[in-house]
Amino acid sequence: GAVVSQHPSWVICKSGTSVKIECRSLDFQATTMFWYRQFPKQSLMLMATSNEGSKATYEQGVEKDKFLINHASLTLSTLTVTSAHPEDSSFYICSARDIDRLNTEAFFGQGTRLTVV
Amino acid sequence: GEDVEQSLFLSVREGDSSVINCTYTDSSSTYLYWYKQEPGAGLQLLTYIFSNMDMKQDQRLTVLLNKKDKHLSLRIADTQTGDSAIYFCAEIPNSGNTPLVFGKGTRLSVIA
Repeated sequence: GAVVSQHPSWVICKSGTSVKIECRSLDFQATTMFWYRQFPKQSLMLMATSNEGSKATYEQGVEKDKFLINHASLTLSTLTVTSAHPEDSSFYICSARDIDRLNTEAFFGQGTRLTVV
Repeated sequence: GEDVEQSLFLSVREGDSSVINCTYTDSSSTYLYWYKQEPGAGLQLLTYIFSNMDMKQDQRLTVLLNKKDKHLSLRIADTQTGDSAIYFCAEIPNSGNTPLVFGKGTRLSVIA
């Protein structure tokens, strides 16, 4: 089946540094990818919708300058957490749907656990 | 707006059946999904059902959809300890390339 690869699976960084997370669709193309954040024992919170070749759409309350999204190709979207702080520590998950099968299942990456120290 | 509700916890004995329930509000939902999340992992698609179906069976999993009541359930037969995880119900609110709307997840604990 379709696979979404997310990298890295975990990262520890110092406060004030930036971290880039990659999300790739391995065997399908995705014009749109979605970035979620999950706090411990909570559901997924949609952060932003990443659109290939155009600006991302951010959900209310999500700082676009803090969470930079780039979707340069039909198979890759990146989320950069800039000037990370301990409160940014969380589990980040990306999702993508096959461009040819928009009304079917969404596939998720394995997630990235970010710890800011 | 769209809303998906699930009970937060379910505990069953190994070998019993588990039934996880979900309600949603958007009657235009085309597909409804069940995802499984194990600790520290991403989401694994378990199964999905198209809105014009009322039942779908896949090995130990049975999905029932009551579109009139906007109620979805996932039944796991012969529940095993490896089924312990969080199960998320999700819907696509409308057609097109829109994000899924998730419930808060049901934590299933299987007691040996």
